[in-house]
Amino acid sequence: QVQLVESGGGLVKPGGSLRLSCAASGFTFSDYYMSWIRQAPGKGLEWVSYISSSGSTIYYADSVKGRFTISRDNAKNSLYLQMNSLRAEDTAVYYCAKVTLWYFDLWGRGTLVTVSS
Amino acid sequence: SYVLTQPPSVSVAPGQTARITCGGNNIGSKSVHWYQQKPGQAPVLVVYDDSDRPSGIPERFSGSNSGNTATLTISRVEAGDEADYYCQVWDSSSDHHVVFGGGTKLTVL
Repeated sequence: QVQLVESGGGLVKPGGSLRLSCAASGFTFSDYYMSWIRQAPGKGLEWVSYISSSGSTIYYADSVKGRFTISRDNAKNSLYLQMNSLRAEDTAVYYCAKVTLWYFDLWGRGTLVTVSS
Repeated sequence: SYVLTQPPSVSVAPGQTARITCGGNNIGSKSVHWYQQKPGQAPVLVVYDDSDRPSGIPERFSGSNSGNTATLTISRVEAGDEADYYCQVWDSSSDHHVVFGGGTKLTVL
C-alpha cells in the first residue's frame, strides 16, 4: 500500500526540540525527493523543507532556516525533521509529502506539533 | 519572493460550475498544481502541470493557466466538492522554491 505515516508530534515548551519521522511504503523511496509542509491551526499550507533523493540537496523556508534539519535514511525508507529552538508560531500539523516533478502527489495524514508553556 | 493570490471564498450551487483563480506575476510561464483539502484531512492533488489529472480524480476537475492567472474549474459541482483548494508552483528563481496560494474555501450552497 502506497502511504506515508508521520509520527513524533506532541506538546513541547518554547525553546524545546522535537524530531518528526515519516515512514514510507509502497514505492521506491530512494527515487524521490521528499518534503515537509505544515499547516497552522485554521491557516493555509506552508512549505517547510525538501530533500533530494540522495540527500545531497536540501532547502528550507526562511521561517525555519537554522532551526530545523531535514534528513532521510533510504535504507529505512524514512524521512526526518529535527526541530530545535521551537517557537509558538511553529505550532502546526506537519505533513510529509512525496515530490514528483515539483508537485506533491502523496501526503501523509500529518502529525500535530504544539509549542506552548 | 513569488506570491500567489487566491480569493478567500467561492460559492456555487450544486450542478453549476465553480472557478477558482490563482494569480501570480506571469504565472502562465510556470506549472501550476492544485490541491483539495477537506476538513480534518490531508491535502489531495487534483490537478498538476496546469491541466493534468492524477488517476482517480474525476474529469469534472480541470485546469488552465495563461498570463497572470491560473484557474481550477470544477464542473457539475457536488456537495462532496466542498473543501479548501490551494494552488502551488515551484519557483526555482527564488530561495523559497515552493509557493502555495493562500487557499480558497469552496462552499456548495
